Amino acid sequence: AQTVTQSQPEMSVQEAETVTLSCTYDTSESDYYLFWYKQPPSRQMILVIRQEAYKQQNATENRFSVNFQKAAKSFSLKISDSQLGDAAMYFCATGNEKLTFGTGTRLTIIP
Amino acid sequence: KAGVTQTPRYLIKTRGQQVTLSCSPISGHRSVSWYQQTPGQGLQFLFEYFSETQRNKGNFPGRFSGRQFSNSRSEMNVSTLELGDSALYLCASSFKKTGSYKNTEAFFGQGTRLTVV
Repeated sequence: AQTVTQSQPEMSVQEAETVTLSCTYDTSESDYYLFWYKQPPSRQMILVIRQEAYKQQNATENRFSVNFQKAAKSFSLKISDSQLGDAAMYFCATGNEKLTFGTGTRLTIIP
Repeated sequence: KAGVTQTPRYLIKTRGQQVTLSCSPISGHRSVSWYQQTPGQGLQFLFEYFSETQRNKGNFPGRFSGRQFSNSRSEMNVSTLELGDSALYLCASSFKKTGSYKNTEAFFGQGTRLTVV
């Protein structure tokens, strides 16, 4: 079983600035991945980035990177050079048999 | 490579009716999972199918059922619809090895928006 907590219901950032979205989790699994998904108004869930728990090196995908602290069970998402198209709901998730999602963070980009 | 395809995109049904939703996963993916998304409950797991077998089930009543075909396409059925079944239903396609539950990535379709009136 696992739980995922996103404590920031809403965040906003100026265009071109950097923003960090927080996520903490708890799991009884020993081998797992962590994911960040983006859900724009179109409602499609888009995989942004993933991190294998066994890897110490933080994952990076272009402007998106994570800060994974396994001992603290923390998995934050950093978005650099924020763009208008980054505006969306962001969900943190984990789980093997099933994905457990956080409640989401609504990110607004200010032009 | 085609993505995950869900049909239909929108549905309006009356209470008491039944509905069938379809999901075609990414080619080569044998795992298909279904999720319900509502403003009040967030994203909740319904069930997972792998190689035509239900492998895992969430905490939903028996009115929610599914199946998977030999080509990995999956259908979800909801019988005796209730107003509370109004939601976005998302299908996720994953590559999982036989005998392994490890979820290395999951790709979602665009969802089916079900409205029960």
